[in-house]
Amino acid sequence: SQQGEEDPQALSIQEGENATMNCSYKTSINNLQWYRQNSGRGLVHLILIRSNEREKHSGRLRVTLDTSKKSSSLLITASRAADTASYFCATDARGSSYKLIFGSGTRLLVRP
Amino acid sequence: NAGVTQTPKFRVLKTGQSMTLLCAQDMNHEYMYWYRQDPGMGLRLIHYSVGEGTTAKGEVPDGYNVSRLKKQNFLLGLESAAPSQTSVYFCASSLLAANTDTQYFGPGTRLTVL
Repeated sequence: SQQGEEDPQALSIQEGENATMNCSYKTSINNLQWYRQNSGRGLVHLILIRSNEREKHSGRLRVTLDTSKKSSSLLITASRAADTASYFCATDARGSSYKLIFGSGTRLLVRP
Repeated sequence: NAGVTQTPKFRVLKTGQSMTLLCAQDMNHEYMYWYRQDPGMGLRLIHYSVGEGTTAKGEVPDGYNVSRLKKQNFLLGLESAAPSQTSVYFCASSLLAANTDTQYFGPGTRLTVL
């Protein structure tokens, strides 16, 4: 069963624009993570945000977490063609600290 | 450091054949995971291990077996491959538990079962 669901499923923007992706989840969590996957490659970790944090930054990335709405957003500012990838959120599996449940991802295309 | 490596990168099997996928990590991580990724979907956890000699079932364990005889290696076995097991398989590892730590992923194994 899916814990995190990303929205939109696909996003196409012009280089230089900002990209916002959203993730909604169903049960309470300890942490939420965002990963990037370039075509044909493994996933690369971007950011981990804890349930007691509301916002976190890493370079051009900004992640917010609203536990009352059970949602998170990933903002990529000043996008580049190299940001073209799929982005996944991952949350704890209910009752297990050893498992992450991944959403189905947002496919981002940044046009040069 | 090589990080997480997987062998083979590609494989084609006939229905009923068996094979083993090898995952190796050189980061001294305790936790290791096997996922499968199907088109347009996120990753689904097959099996995982919280340390050498331990294994546990994930979301979709049926048809797969695993072993963690050495801390650095995590093997995924398909005893009798089925077309439904056509997928891309990713191995990952982490130092701490999955919900508190970064997972490092291998490059994947693309498996086709005819």
